[in-house]
Amino acid sequence: TAGITQAPTSQILAAGRSMTLRCTQDMRHNAMYWYRQDLGLGLRLIHYSNTAGTTGKGEVPDGYSVSRANTDDFPLTLASAVPSQTSVYFCASSLGTSGNNEQFFGPGTRLTVL
Amino acid sequence: AQSVTQPDIHITVSEGASLELRCNYSYGATPYLFWYVQSPGQGLQLLLKYFSGDTLVQGIKGFEAEFKRSQSSFNLRKPSVHWSDAAEYFCAVGESWNSGGYQKVTFGTGTKLQVIP
Repeated sequence: TAGITQAPTSQILAAGRSMTLRCTQDMRHNAMYWYRQDLGLGLRLIHYSNTAGTTGKGEVPDGYSVSRANTDDFPLTLASAVPSQTSVYFCASSLGTSGNNEQFFGPGTRLTVL
Repeated sequence: AQSVTQPDIHITVSEGASLELRCNYSYGATPYLFWYVQSPGQGLQLLLKYFSGDTLVQGIKGFEAEFKRSQSSFNLRKPSVHWSDAAEYFCAVGESWNSGGYQKVTFGTGTKLQVIP
């Protein structure tokens, strides 16, 4: 099974431009998450979705938006990119929302904003 | 608020040597604890997890971890390291409940493991 796929693998983006990072899972998981990974800071949660049709803000949501139209897809949009959004972005999913759920991660998207 | 500390940013071990990666957490209730591994250019993969019961848990790839409540620690160990174990390792704690109703997982900043022949 593919698990979680993310696209693109990497991208260089001019500041001020918009971009959507795509994430698709085939495990029928209810919950999905977007994290950013920065050196020395570990992973920080941007947005989450407990189930299709609902989303919520994580630790660092400013400058990002998400939607969850169906169970499988959870795109992350940068409306007007800034250099501080240069990072590696990981999409993840879990079957449930309780704290003991394993999260499954995609391979990541490396984004550079110039 | 929960937090996770991985005091070692980088560790180098010889192939065949034993390994211990340290993790300390701060959480008021019984924590859900995880160790994930990230190979270069890849996403995170779960190595093992602890929820309750036996404090020594076994994971994939020959790894184990021991939960010590008195020390607020969840150290990862492997008796004999292989070159393929070179990666970055993340300790994480999951809340048993939070007001946001989502699975809040706090990750440590990671320990990068280098294995020398």
